[in-house]
Amino acid sequence: GAGVSQSPSNKVTEKGKDVELRCDPISGHTALYWYRQSLGQGLEFLIYFQGNSAPDKSGLPSDRFSAERTGGSVSTLTIQRTQQEDSAVYLCASSRTSRQETQYFGPGTRLLVL
Amino acid sequence: GESVGLHLPTLSVQEGDNSIINCAYSNSASDYFIWYKQESGKGPQFIIDIRSNMDKRQGQRVTVLLNKTVKHLSLQIAATQPGDSAVYFCAVGGTSYGKLTFGQGTILTVHP
Repeated sequence: GAGVSQSPSNKVTEKGKDVELRCDPISGHTALYWYRQSLGQGLEFLIYFQGNSAPDKSGLPSDRFSAERTGGSVSTLTIQRTQQEDSAVYLCASSRTSRQETQYFGPGTRLLVL
Repeated sequence: GESVGLHLPTLSVQEGDNSIINCAYSNSASDYFIWYKQESGKGPQFIIDIRSNMDKRQGQRVTVLLNKTVKHLSLQIAATQPGDSAVYFCAVGGTSYGKLTFGQGTILTVHP
């Protein structure tokens, strides 16, 4: 079946511009996660959605970052007034539920802020 | 808080050898452990997982061992192949929901 998809695959933007990254989870998965991976580093948790519950935003690095999930499916991660340190790969994952369930990752969006 | 570390950042092996990648974690309440493989330009790919009520779990050519006493887990890859070359991450789940804490990753290079 279809896996997690993300778009765009690559994004180059200028410092100060806003960007939107999209994630389509696996159909039927109720949990959705965003992670950030800097060059040569592990994954850093950003935000988590579970069903209709309030999202866990504890990993967002600043108030320039926000995310929403519409209709319990597609999610958008928005970065406002991008900075060069925002350059990274942004990965989305989904799982059937949130508890001890395998998280399946998308291919990521590679963001470069010039 | 939770922290996850890897003992070796790089591992180089010959094709056909067995590979062992290690991972230490800090939170004794962690109860879910996963190994992911990440190839260049791709997202992490699930390899195998283990829950805290188990010490060992086997998959195809892979085995995960969990030692809760010393908070350590390892991934063993049998008969390593060039296609196994990638970065391997361990990830640890906490007691509440599915948020995972990832280690820094080990680069595995398999020489033909």
